[in-house]
Formats: sequence, C-alpha cells, structure tokens
Amino acid sequence: NAGVTQTPKFRVLKTGQSMTLLCAQDMNHEYMYWYRQDPGMGLRLIHYSVGEGTTAKGEVPDGYNVSRLKKQNFLLGLESAAPSQTSVYFCASSYGARGGYTFGSGTRLTVV
Amino acid sequence: AQTVTQSQPEMSVQEAETVTLSCTYDTSENNYYLFWYKQPPSRQMILVIRQEAYKQQNATENRFSVNFQKAAKSFSLKISDSQLGDTAMYFCARVVAQKLVFGQGTRLTINP
Repeated sequence: NAGVTQTPKFRVLKTGQSMTLLCAQDMNHEYMYWYRQDPGMGLRLIHYSVGEGTTAKGEVPDGYNVSRLKKQNFLLGLESAAPSQTSVYFCASSYGARGGYTFGSGTRLTVV
Repeated sequence: AQTVTQSQPEMSVQEAETVTLSCTYDTSENNYYLFWYKQPPSRQMILVIRQEAYKQQNATENRFSVNFQKAAKSFSLKISDSQLGDTAMYFCARVVAQKLVFGQGTRLTINP
C-alpha cells in the first residue's frame, strides 16, 4: 500500500539551479495537489490537477511549473531556484474534490 | 477570500486533560466539507476527523470530537483524555472549489 510517494525526501539546491519533484500515487485518484508548508502559514496550494493532462494555479504558483502527463504522476518543477523557495513540499491526491485526501511524506528543500 | 483561521498558534496541556482547538472559516456555500489534520514531528499529514456541513450531528472519532456551529462558521476540535502521542501540529481545513484550504495551524504540546 504505497499511497502517495514523493521523491526526493531531502534536497539542497544552489540559487539558480533547477530541479523536479516527483509525486506518484497508486490509488487511481483523479485529483492531485502540490502544497508548500512554511512556519506559521500552514499549507499553501501551489498548483493542482483535476485529471490527466490538466493543471491549474493555486494560491502561490509563481516560480513553479507542473505537469500531469500520466494520471498517477504529478511533477513540480523549479526552473531557477530562489532562497524564498526553501520550504517543505507536500503532494496530495484525492478521488474527488470532497473525498479523502492522501498526503505524501513531504520533501524538505533548502535553497542556498 | 475563502479563508480558514486558527487563532491559537500554540497550546499546552497536561496529560489526561481535555483540550479544545479553535477554527473559524469563511464560506458562502450551504454544503461543504471540513477536516482536522494532525502533523506529528514525523511530518506525515494524518486525517483526524471529517465533517459534512449538511449533517447536524457532530463527528466523533474515539477521543476526538468536533463542535460544529454552522451559523457561526466555527469548527473546533476537542481532544479528550489527552495523551503524549497527541503532541503535534493540528490543521483545520475545508474544501474550496475542488481544493483543500488550510488554516495556519496550532502547535499542541501534551506535557507528562
């Protein structure tokens, strides 16, 4: 029962570098989300997808891009990392907007 | 803006005591879904309890229960007979237009 798997779990980047965070779910969920968690601010939505081939912006999309080429995968890209993107990133999926949400274990990203 | 507000950044109680965490939200909808999530030091997001707005009965899960006041747009979490393992961040959340929106969180510490 893998659920939602995020890779990598930790990463340190230099300013200006690029990287991709991978989220994979094996529950055949339609909806997938990327959040960032910063102290005192809860989880804020970056981008989300309501189905294969679709993406939409969330609350804090600037500096990030996403793709959902396959239903089970949702990729989050940072083209030119900035220190302000230092955060813990969570992926989540659900079978519907009002259904149960399953979260990955998070990725701690530090940009120096 | 559709917001979720948790007014208690930190709380601390003794083991076996009862503690109540507050949450208020903004909505123009009549039917919606509310959640409480627990995030222990392991960083994993764990669903504690879920409430459907059209149901008058307050949701209960073992030692966890909610006080849902629809007219006041209030959704508080009560933890009875608190245990050391309840020490965690607690997030209130609700579904807004296919997305899960979180409050800022309350850091709860259970002292021995």
